[in-house]
Amino acid sequence: ETGVTQTPRHLVMGMTNKKSLKCEQHLGHNAMYWYKQSAKKPLELMFVYNFKEQTENNSVPSRFSPECPNSSHLFLHLHTLQPEDSALYLCASSPYKLQGPLTYEQYFGPGTRLTVT
Amino acid sequence: EDKVVQSPLSLVVHEGDTVTLNCSYEVTNFRSLLWYKQEKKAPTFLFMLTSSGIEKKSGRLSSILDKKELSSILNITATQTGDSAIYLCAVGGGSNYKLTFGKGTLLTVNP
Repeated sequence: ETGVTQTPRHLVMGMTNKKSLKCEQHLGHNAMYWYKQSAKKPLELMFVYNFKEQTENNSVPSRFSPECPNSSHLFLHLHTLQPEDSALYLCASSPYKLQGPLTYEQYFGPGTRLTVT
Repeated sequence: EDKVVQSPLSLVVHEGDTVTLNCSYEVTNFRSLLWYKQEKKAPTFLFMLTSSGIEKKSGRLSSILDKKELSSILNITATQTGDSAIYLCAVGGGSNYKLTFGKGTLLTVNP
């Protein structure tokens, strides 16, 4: 498979459930991102990983727990979510260089539509 | 706090029309401005602009960055129904790879 893939594509969970979202990129990139997209709001950056190290946590509640075991895989573990957490969760990846010019071009997966009941 | 504002928020046109979408930004240490098209789910990359005044073009789509005015426009000529989508503007700044997104412009092209 090519590009950035996400599973599942749709998820309905109760507030007491625990579930995980998975993202995999096949582009050889070293940076991966989680975004939340709610209706009528800009994409909100949640987490950034560069070379498997978390470099950004955008004040995300602890009920969202990211995991990046290697540069190709990114998980978002969910527990005791609230109805307002219902949204489209997008994963993205980009090249990351330790030296040289920065590149901001990010490639997105299809997203997971999450509904919390 | 970094900010990206897009206008209009929504736009309805007829096939064949030309549209101009706007993006303005306030970002510390500006590095790049990017345009994405989002149809159903995944935003797909259109352009990245780093230098002022240089036009990037792909078919009927083109974009220019004005660093003096802290803004960019995305033009679509001879619109088609397949151009219907949300167009997102994002700006990268600082020493990391963080992008700040605008709310997007919802473009509807009617036959």
